[in-house]
Amino acid sequence: GENVEQHPSTLSVQEGDSAVIKCTYSDSASNYFPWYKQELGKRPQLIIDIRSNVGEKKDQRIAVTLNKTAKHFSLHITETQPEDSAVYFCAASKKGNEKLTFGTGTRLTIIP
Amino acid sequence: GAGVSQSPSNKVTEKGKDVELRCDPISGHTALYWYRQSLGQGLEFLIYFQGNSAPDKSGLPSDRFSAERTGGSVSTLTIQRTQQEDSAVYLCASSLGTGASQPQHFGDGTRLSIL
Repeated sequence: GENVEQHPSTLSVQEGDSAVIKCTYSDSASNYFPWYKQELGKRPQLIIDIRSNVGEKKDQRIAVTLNKTAKHFSLHITETQPEDSAVYFCAASKKGNEKLTFGTGTRLTIIP
Repeated sequence: GAGVSQSPSNKVTEKGKDVELRCDPISGHTALYWYRQSLGQGLEFLIYFQGNSAPDKSGLPSDRFSAERTGGSVSTLTIQRTQQEDSAVYLCASSLGTGASQPQHFGDGTRLSIL
């Protein structure tokens, strides 16, 4: 089955700087890669997703890149703000079975 | 409501008891998923319903776990003879489930504590 690895497990960034979280996946049939943000005690919230037919997607300060050949994808947050502090999860799924396999999460702390 | 609704929000029960957790998906969503999140851990897939197809039960950790979805809407996850290792937050998600992979939207979860 699919295996998703996520790094780093913790990340501290000065406010205003950029943060990058990286994930790798094992199943070449995976074609959908969402990122979720989870604040303490809250539900995971989808912040951005990318499909395998594109290499990059951007939404304001958040961007995701996908390298299908290397089977890795990354989340980039620019101009970080204190409210970006949370745990971020990457995930992968494939057409025909949409269950998500999640990475182990990255605890992002923005230092004011 | 507009989002995925789960009940109860918290459940405390004694080891050996059965529990039933409920999920009400977003209206019109044909796909429904159950995940489990242990303290400080990632999300673990349990079971997936898509329309009238047979559910994917490949993530259920033991035969004490079962789930059903009646009328293609509300789902219940049942854990029989609960054990302490069943303590976790149980999250439900739903998606449109048509064509290409659709975003999954999560409920607030049920925090289950087994004494």
